[in-house]
Amino acid sequence: QLQLQESGPGLVKSSETLSLTCTVSGGSISSSSYSWGWIRQPPGEGLEWIGIISYSEDTYYNPSLKSRVTVSVDTSRNQFSLKLTSVTAADTAVYHCVHWSMSAGWFDPWGQGTLVTVSS
Amino acid sequence: DIQMTQSPSSVSASVGDRVTITCRASEALSSWLVWYQQKPGKAPRLLIYLASSLQSGVPSRFSGSGSGTDFTLTISSLQPEDFATYYCQQAKSFPLTFGGGTKVEIK
Repeated sequence: QLQLQESGPGLVKSSETLSLTCTVSGGSISSSSYSWGWIRQPPGEGLEWIGIISYSEDTYYNPSLKSRVTVSVDTSRNQFSLKLTSVTAADTAVYHCVHWSMSAGWFDPWGQGTLVTVSS
Repeated sequence: DIQMTQSPSSVSASVGDRVTITCRASEALSSWLVWYQQKPGKAPRLLIYLASSLQSGVPSRFSGSGSGTDFTLTISSLQPEDFATYYCQQAKSFPLTFGGGTKVEIK
């Protein structure tokens, strides 16, 4: 049974880079069955898809964030990561790492989420 | 981008009530539609995928229907643990997009 856990700083300064890591347990991150992604949720608001990396390391990003986002995989550590550059207060959100089903398009399971606050 | 519109944005209901939530897509999705439940402070939980397939472990009082642009999530008999916010998500094309959410509140 897959389990995902986010880690990283909870506070990032405006204009700097947000970096988060997701540790996967219960399965190999490099398995051809799996793709991985990030979703965020500003406090009190809805869900926004950030990006996905497939098992073959193809990446797909939300066009609204594409110029600032990188999702990558570290197979040796069974982790994947998110980098978001030039952050502003609008990037303050709970960030969830997720497993994505390429065959049916759903996200499951989700990491519990980590709140990242951008400060000025 | 495919826009997803949920209605209502909130609904007040009592235990035992039948609740229906609607999700409309700005273009046809076939059956590429997913529903999630989210409780405060928790990650969303997958309920239904491919518009009408119930995820393993999800109670049978939850059902999904629809195709094309119009979809519904129905809770046949609302239980205390069902008070939450529900989101739809289109899975047809990138960028993947979510509806704005429907909050089911206690009447």
